[in-house]
Amino acid sequence: EIVMTQSPATLSVSPGERATLSCRASQSVSINLAWYQQKPGQAPRLLIYDASTRATGIPARFSGSGSGTEFTLTISSLQSEDFVVYYCQQYNYWPPWTFGQGTKVEIK
Amino acid sequence: QVQLQQWGAGLLKPSETLSLTCAVYGESFSGHYWNWIRQPPGKGLEWIGEISHSGSTNYKSSLQSRVTISRDTSKNQFSLKLTSVTAADTAVYYCARRNGENAPSYFQYWGRGTLVTVSS
Repeated sequence: EIVMTQSPATLSVSPGERATLSCRASQSVSINLAWYQQKPGQAPRLLIYDASTRATGIPARFSGSGSGTEFTLTISSLQSEDFVVYYCQQYNYWPPWTFGQGTKVEIK
Repeated sequence: QVQLQQWGAGLLKPSETLSLTCAVYGESFSGHYWNWIRQPPGKGLEWIGEISHSGSTNYKSSLQSRVTISRDTSKNQFSLKLTSVTAADTAVYYCARRNGENAPSYFQYWGRGTLVTVSS
């Protein structure tokens, strides 16, 4: 099973600043990685797939990069609605599909 | 627009069977894998299993002995059964669509989630 490790667990950032979230895979997953955003009480929402492709309707301030075992989600200028939890997920080795434990972005 | 609507019992006693159903609206049931994912309160996401239009299934190995995912293509619905539940199975359960059948892919559409609590 591929283990996905996200860091940090909590990221404190001021509104308008840049946030950089990391995700590491226990072995190479190529670019088969997705990022999801989860607001309280809601289902996860797909943000990024194939490591760097924004899903439909996702603002340009969200960007993804990386390949192999190291991935990054960058939010260029944090808006109030962005202070929530983010998960990465690999879909290179299946089953099982595996998620990271999440990074909470909080207001500094 | 694709919508997943899910329902099922929200309160169970230990040893009972969890049963949830998810209906797919806005597109054909074929061409994708239909998944169940759960999230214990305050914790991360755990994939449970999936089923294709043709009935092919994949399950998480640690749950395989207790899980059955089935589908009713005439109704565009799929279901989850988890037997012998314990408090550790308390979670929000989501249904989700994984794109495509012939290649690994991500979860593009999700249901709203059903909180299932196991308590005596």
